[in-house]
Amino acid sequence: NAGVTQTPKFRVLKTGQSMTLLCAQDMNHEYMYWYRQDPGMGLRLIHYSVGEGTTAKGEVPDGYNVSRLKKQNFLLGLESAAPSQTSVYFCASSYGGTKYEQYFGPGTRLTVT
Amino acid sequence: KNEVEQSPQNLTAQEGEFITINCSYSVGISALHWLQQHPGGGIVSLFMLSSGKKKHGRLIATINIQEKHSSLHITASHPRDSAVYICAGMNYGGSQGNLIFGKGTKLSVKP
Repeated sequence: NAGVTQTPKFRVLKTGQSMTLLCAQDMNHEYMYWYRQDPGMGLRLIHYSVGEGTTAKGEVPDGYNVSRLKKQNFLLGLESAAPSQTSVYFCASSYGGTKYEQYFGPGTRLTVT
Repeated sequence: KNEVEQSPQNLTAQEGEFITINCSYSVGISALHWLQQHPGGGIVSLFMLSSGKKKHGRLIATINIQEKHSSLHITASHPRDSAVYICAGMNYGGSQGNLIFGKGTKLSVKP
């Protein structure tokens, strides 16, 4: 099993450009999450999904959109990138909500110039 | 004030030392996670606990729900334990499994 994978690993964007980050998991997990990690701050939840076809906002959703068309994939989109979105993005998945551990992807380092 | 606080922020130890990292939280949580982030950036889950104590190899995690405090101990530390250790509380009553993260403790173990 590959676990949780993220594509791409690195990306540099210019302000205003758009891109989509792909998260895929092969563990048949229901729940999937997108986090961002910035220096000096803890991981923060952007959006999450509790099942195929569902999405919900987390702590810092502005400037991002997500889709969960297939159970194994969770896409994070930036429609018009801003320098404030320079960050490391982590995807995670879990079997359920409370009482289940989360499995993290390797991260995507995004720089917006 | 962050709802999940870790101490210390940075910790340097000599190989073989016993290490303790502390985590305090101000919100009601149903479970607490300890995560390890390797120097290369990957994050792995070490423990998830809602009461008592768990042990895995040289790592021990404890939690005191009444005092809203958890500790991660590493016995006989080794340079390969060098990493950032993150505690995260799972929101009590939330069904989504949303985690509230501490800022992490950077551990460096010197040979």
